[in-house]
Amino acid sequence: QKEVEQDPGPLSVPEGAIVSLNCTYSNSAFQYFMWYRQYSRKGPELLMYTYSSGNKEDGRFTAQVDKSSKYISLFIRDSQPSDSATYLCAIKGSNYQLIWGAGTKLIIKP
Amino acid sequence: EPEVTQTPSHQVTQMGQEVILRCVPISNHLYFYWYRQILGQKVEFLVSFYNNEISEKSEIFDDQFSVERPDGSNFTLKIRSTKLEDSAMYFCASRGASGYTDTQYFGPGTRLTVL
Repeated sequence: QKEVEQDPGPLSVPEGAIVSLNCTYSNSAFQYFMWYRQYSRKGPELLMYTYSSGNKEDGRFTAQVDKSSKYISLFIRDSQPSDSATYLCAIKGSNYQLIWGAGTKLIIKP
Repeated sequence: EPEVTQTPSHQVTQMGQEVILRCVPISNHLYFYWYRQILGQKVEFLVSFYNNEISEKSEIFDDQFSVERPDGSNFTLKIRSTKLEDSAMYFCASRGASGYTDTQYFGPGTRLTVL
């Protein structure tokens, strides 16, 4: 079983829609969960991080962790064409290395 | 805003040649990382570096790879004898204070093409 699984998409939605991006993970010991955004030919940029279970909100973005089902989500409200990018979930493993999902390519259509 | 920089942005090399990828981490950061991303695949951890030594490395980081912080500002990844399968984007990242929640900041990457 892969440590972190993420549907690569692409996911195409109209502008203004609510977007839901998800990952599952296998190791119940994981505690720190991150969402990165990556534009084409650029490095990953941290959007959100959460510790343990619960929700965290930052503007139009909400990160959610459900440790009981080993499921993490990122919601984007009022999506904009500029949100079009690849969204990667990442989990902190031992010694601070990041374990990555495959990334979901998101396309927001004007 | 401080940022991680990487040079070159694109490196083309012949199989068997040595390449050095360079990174300038954020100036007060203490922890440094290299990741790679083969086209269409996941980002993969290569190595972490702290206090002038490797703190962790993945199975990918074999004897052909080495890292160095030669002068207190640069952080380099050397690939000694490149193979076709080393073609990938290589990302450097740095992290500040100790503390598990501290963010890793990524550079824009170096695209390595091995012919």
